Amino acid sequence: AQSVSQHNHHVILSEAASLELGCNYSYGGTVNLFWYVQYPGQHLQLLLKYFSGDPLVKGIKGFEAEFIKSKFSFNLRKPSVQWSDTAEYFCAVNAADNYGQNFVFGPGTRLSVLP
Amino acid sequence: DADVTQTPRNRITKTGKRIMLECSQTKGHDRMYWYRQDPGLGLQLIYYSFDVKDINKGEISDGYSVSRQAQAKFSLSLESAIPNQTALYFCATSEAGRTGELFFGEGSRLTVL
Repeated sequence: AQSVSQHNHHVILSEAASLELGCNYSYGGTVNLFWYVQYPGQHLQLLLKYFSGDPLVKGIKGFEAEFIKSKFSFNLRKPSVQWSDTAEYFCAVNAADNYGQNFVFGPGTRLSVLP
Repeated sequence: DADVTQTPRNRITKTGKRIMLECSQTKGHDRMYWYRQDPGLGLQLIYYSFDVKDINKGEISDGYSVSRQAQAKFSLSLESAIPNQTALYFCATSEAGRTGELFFGEGSRLTVL
């Protein structure tokens, strides 16, 4: 079965600091990878996704993620965070070889950006 | 208007009551899902449906049931609510195929006293 772990439960940064949120998954086959963001009181929205091709994926709002297959990782990065990036971030994976059936989510990382 | 709409958005009920959460979508997607979100646990899949006649249990289906009334409607029922079902519930949709991403509703916050 697939599983997803996220390294940090809560990250606190000052504005303009760089961000890296870790995500690792366990699954031996081909996967699709996602990062979702949940702003306070809102639903989850897609930040970026990886299906195939260039392992460095760029998403909305200046976020990017790098898929490292050998490390089963899909870490999220942003060079300079803003107060408005305060949110919870979820990494998710689904197995590409079962027609995208089950999305498995990590436990989430709460990001607090101090002004 | 939201593409994935959930009702009610908030509900407080008592132990033993029957509760239905409804979800409707205008995205035209075949696939619909119900997730439960608890702090520190991420999202857990309750049920999913790939079309009107295809309904499948997720990882935490005990105590829940669903109905897919039409392509656009997928409801979640708690036949006899209990306090540990207090959570935030999300409906989601996706396109068929290997690479469809999830599109989420606004969530339904359920409190069972």
